[in-house]
Amino acid sequence: DTGVSQDPRHKITKRGQNVTFRCDPISEHNRLYWYRQTLGQGPEFLTYFQNEAQLEKSRLLSDRFSAERPKGSFSTLEIQRTEQGDSAMYLCASSPGLAGGPYQSSTDTQYFGPGTRLTVL
Amino acid sequence: AQSVSQHNHHVILSEAASLELGCNYSYGGTVNLFWYVQYPGQHLQLLLKYFSGDPLVKGIKGFEAEFIKSKFSFNLRKPSVQWSDTAEYFCAVRRNSGGYQKVTFGTGTKLQVIP
Repeated sequence: DTGVSQDPRHKITKRGQNVTFRCDPISEHNRLYWYRQTLGQGPEFLTYFQNEAQLEKSRLLSDRFSAERPKGSFSTLEIQRTEQGDSAMYLCASSPGLAGGPYQSSTDTQYFGPGTRLTVL
Repeated sequence: AQSVSQHNHHVILSEAASLELGCNYSYGGTVNLFWYVQYPGQHLQLLLKYFSGDPLVKGIKGFEAEFIKSKFSFNLRKPSVQWSDTAEYFCAVRRNSGGYQKVTFGTGTKLQVIP
């Protein structure tokens, strides 16, 4: 299958440790998104890449969070000095976008991966 | 900023009952609208989407949604639910105003279908 994959699926860490998650988008999807989902809430937007460029970051993404997509394919999300409030499901999504040219939101649809559940003790 | 409201947090229905889940959004301009579903233990899946044209949109598994612009609503419906429809349903909206626009999700509605 060529769906969005995420690794690991679960991560338990102690407060203060650093964690890194990986997302592999659907092949040939230009756009990649990170979301956070806490209990009882819908996914909340964190950041977005078009190819390797990080084009938007939410105010939810504090300085302890960093995301990269170095070759325009897979992406990593790192959280430094984790806090208990970081415990959540971290979702990755990708969308086809357009190969070059201006973004056309009118036909772009995001496809989600299974998520990484982070528990900070 | 745009927001999405899903009025029902938890809905319990018997099999064969009809379903309608409410969704309202706050943005007054042109929008794209989505319903995603998350079955137990699975990831978010696209159920249906509205971009333009016919406001009655049909999705997978017999679901449909109607976009009513005057009411800022995009309610999800299914005439007869099955036990396998037990899942959490998320409505989402995106401004269609050129360039990149983020998708905003509602808080979700948990549907429990009793056999």
